[in-house]
Amino acid sequence: NAGVTQTPKFRVLKTGQSMTLLCAQDMNHEYMYWYRQDPGMGLRLIHYSVGEGTTAKGEVPDGYNVSRLKKQNFLLGLESAAPSQTSVYFCASSYSFGGNQPQHFGDGTRLSIL
Amino acid sequence: GQNIDQPTEMTATEGAIVQINCTYQTSGFNGLFWYQQHAGEAPTFLSYNVLDGLEEKGRFSSFLSRSKGYSYLLLKELQMKDSASYLCAVRDRNSGAGSYQLTFGKGTKLSVIP
Repeated sequence: NAGVTQTPKFRVLKTGQSMTLLCAQDMNHEYMYWYRQDPGMGLRLIHYSVGEGTTAKGEVPDGYNVSRLKKQNFLLGLESAAPSQTSVYFCASSYSFGGNQPQHFGDGTRLSIL
Repeated sequence: GQNIDQPTEMTATEGAIVQINCTYQTSGFNGLFWYQQHAGEAPTFLSYNVLDGLEEKGRFSSFLSRSKGYSYLLLKELQMKDSASYLCAVRDRNSGAGSYQLTFGKGTKLSVIP
């Protein structure tokens, strides 16, 4: 019953460092998403993928890159971390975009950039 | 873009009924979701509305009026464990690149008191 798994759960980085957040889903979902959640803000979409080998920009893509080399994995990269990227990052997946199919979320990665 | 409004905080008494409102403005409405998010945890799916009317699911019900750009989540027989944030999310078919982007409100933090 894993669902959507995110690693790591917590991380502290220094400004300018790089890192990759990992997301894995075992529900055979085509669609995957990366969001960030900041106090006083709603969940904001960073990038998303509609299938293996595809990626697209969301609402706040600057400073992030993504890859979807395998259907079950969606990676979020920060090439040069900035304090403004301190946030909680959520990965989600869904069977489809349309209809009543909800997005299923991972437990989040809490990232602090010093 | 979209504009989704929810009250920031609400307080209600255990055993009571509470209604959480959500108003939205969108050009291509294609469904509305409600999620529950306990502090420090992932959002979890509660309900989905795409047609006008009431959807009931146990103690939780959700209502939609597309002409008014309005939805509410109704929680009955409140329990302490219902203390959480409730997120309204709207899907818009015109969000760009032919995609169906899910846009989240900032969430309503509900506190249930004895």
